[in-house]
Amino acid sequence: EAQVTQNPRYLITVTGKKLTVTCSQNMNHEYMSWYRQDPGLGLRQIYYSMNVEVTDKGDVPEGYKVSRKEKRNFPLILESPSPNQTSLYFCASSGTGELFFGEGSRLTVL
Amino acid sequence: SQQGEEDPQALSIQEGENATMNCSYKTSINNLQWYRQNSGRGLVHLILIRSNEREKHSGRLRVTLDTSKKSSSLLITASRAADTASYFCATDANSNYQLIWGAGTKLIIKP
Repeated sequence: EAQVTQNPRYLITVTGKKLTVTCSQNMNHEYMSWYRQDPGLGLRQIYYSMNVEVTDKGDVPEGYKVSRKEKRNFPLILESPSPNQTSLYFCASSGTGELFFGEGSRLTVL
Repeated sequence: SQQGEEDPQALSIQEGENATMNCSYKTSINNLQWYRQNSGRGLVHLILIRSNEREKHSGRLRVTLDTSKKSSSLLITASRAADTASYFCATDANSNYQLIWGAGTKLIIKP
């Protein structure tokens, strides 16, 4: 089954404790992206990747890092999380323009 | 940055009625997409309409695009309780992959 898998789905952490949200897709898509969704602000792009070893900033990259060492994986790293990074995070991939989304990772930073 | 603006922000109708949502955008596009999001879940692609198309159908969905007015509408006919969700439009004004999203229309179908 074609899918984008994110982990963890839910996480409560504390300020400053590094965390990684993993994202994996099984559709051999070249394009992958991370979004955050906050009430009233819609979806905002954090980072995206056009292919392996190619990443670029989206609209809100501050406080986040990504890597794309393999085509299927695109982890999102929060080196020192802060409360303003409390949000619902989505990973997505695409082969032809239509985005396939993961189920989301709800992150709370205390 | 937010380009698309959905209208209305929220819509509540009876099951069986038609639901219409609108999306306006600001700059020229190559295509416009509509997505559905059930509460707290991942977004699901519904339909893509290219700038040279005026109307597109998919099952009970009908999407129109008016590039002169920079607007699109999504019509869901014969609504069902399962259509209760938020609906987002996304445009490719920056590039094919850097989509710009609206804030969404929350649709509630009352049984």
